[in-house]
Amino acid sequence: DVKVTQSSRYLVKRTGEKVFLECVQDMDHENMFWYRQDPGLGLRLIYFSYDVKMKEKGDIPEGYSVSREKKERFSLILESASTNQTSMYLCASSFTGAESYEQYFGPGTRLTVT
Amino acid sequence: GIQVEQSPPDLILQEGANSTLRCNFSDSVNNLQWFHQNPWGQLINLFYIPSGTKQNGRLSATTVATERYSLLYISSSQTTDSGVYFCAVAGNSGNTPLVFGKGTRLSVIA
Repeated sequence: DVKVTQSSRYLVKRTGEKVFLECVQDMDHENMFWYRQDPGLGLRLIYFSYDVKMKEKGDIPEGYSVSREKKERFSLILESASTNQTSMYLCASSFTGAESYEQYFGPGTRLTVT
Repeated sequence: GIQVEQSPPDLILQEGANSTLRCNFSDSVNNLQWFHQNPWGQLINLFYIPSGTKQNGRLSATTVATERYSLLYISSSQTTDSGVYFCAVAGNSGNTPLVFGKGTRLSVIA
């Protein structure tokens, strides 16, 4: 079974703090993604990565950065957390091959910035 | 970019009833997935179905790619089926990120 894990289920941080959200997958997937989910706005893409050290901006990258130093790990960084970054953060991964593009999601991290 | 519309937005069912959820999309796709979001927020993969028909227990799904829609069928619904069901698609190479619909919130009452 594919397993995508995220470092925390719940996180509370203060405004201005630097926040790291970690995502690890165990299926040797090339692609990894970070989404955020907000009531009324649905799921929106923040950043994604097709390979180690590669990153692409999604729809809402402002205020975020990412790091992919190893294939299995994709980190989302909030450089200076703000209250409007309070949200549910979901990580996903998938293969590049045409056999299946299915994406698998981690359990999510509910981040509250106070 | 691709637009995804799901209907209905909300659905209330009596336990044991059947239901059909619909997903319309605006362009050709190489990836279409149905998810169930559980009360803790995790997205559970139900079907990977860019075309054709699949069944898994009481759930089945059909995607008619040429007409740009997909249907999720839930039969003999149970209270544990409650939650939000999302359709998500990706076009082009299929490796592109998913575009999600706004979901259908299903409530199954005993």
